[in-house]
Amino acid sequence: AQKITQTQPGMFVQEKEAVTLDCTYDTSDQSYGLFWYKQPSSGEMIFLIYQGSYDEQNATEGRYSLNFQKARKSANLVISASQLGDSAMYFCAMRGHTGGGNKLTFGTGTQLKVEL
Amino acid sequence: SQTIHQWPATLVQPVGSPLSLECTVEGTSNPNLYWYRQAAGRGLQLLFYSVGIGQISSEVPQNLSASRPQDRQFILSSKKLLLSDSGFYLCAWSVLPGGTGELFFGEGSRLTVL
Repeated sequence: AQKITQTQPGMFVQEKEAVTLDCTYDTSDQSYGLFWYKQPSSGEMIFLIYQGSYDEQNATEGRYSLNFQKARKSANLVISASQLGDSAMYFCAMRGHTGGGNKLTFGTGTQLKVEL
Repeated sequence: SQTIHQWPATLVQPVGSPLSLECTVEGTSNPNLYWYRQAAGRGLQLLFYSVGIGQISSEVPQNLSASRPQDRQFILSSKKLLLSDSGFYLCAWSVLPGGTGELFFGEGSRLTVL
């Protein structure tokens, strides 16, 4: 079974600073994918970034980067130059390769608040 | 481009009443379709997924059911709602093989059972 753990229920960061949101995972699959989603107060889920287990380089998408440490089974999201619009819930998720259906398992999320 | 819509956006239902949430995807064919539920302040729990018409897999035993009558239509139903069915329901789609397999979500349906 796959498990995603996000140990930070809430985080605060000042505008223009960088912030790291933690995510650890557990899986017996050799091939898997890791995702981060953003959920603003409106409720929609916005895909941010993806890291494949065989990708040698950390994924980056604009101000988002994924700090992938395979041996530690961690996939932390780094947001650089935080903006007020980054205030939202952030979810880490994993896709394994056992079973079918491309199912994603989600963590419990981290509520990020960006302050002036 | 692909789009996903689900409705209704909000509904308040009495205990014991039926439920029907609908989701449709446009701009893609033969997608994988999913229903997730998010309880207040919690993560997302996968309820059902479908890899094709009429093919439904249930992840969690519960009071709900799902159907896929057409390739790009996914319906979540209940005959008699329970208080514990309250939550935020999200429909999503993905396409595999190819790509990274990320899920694309609809706008969500907020259900309150009283």
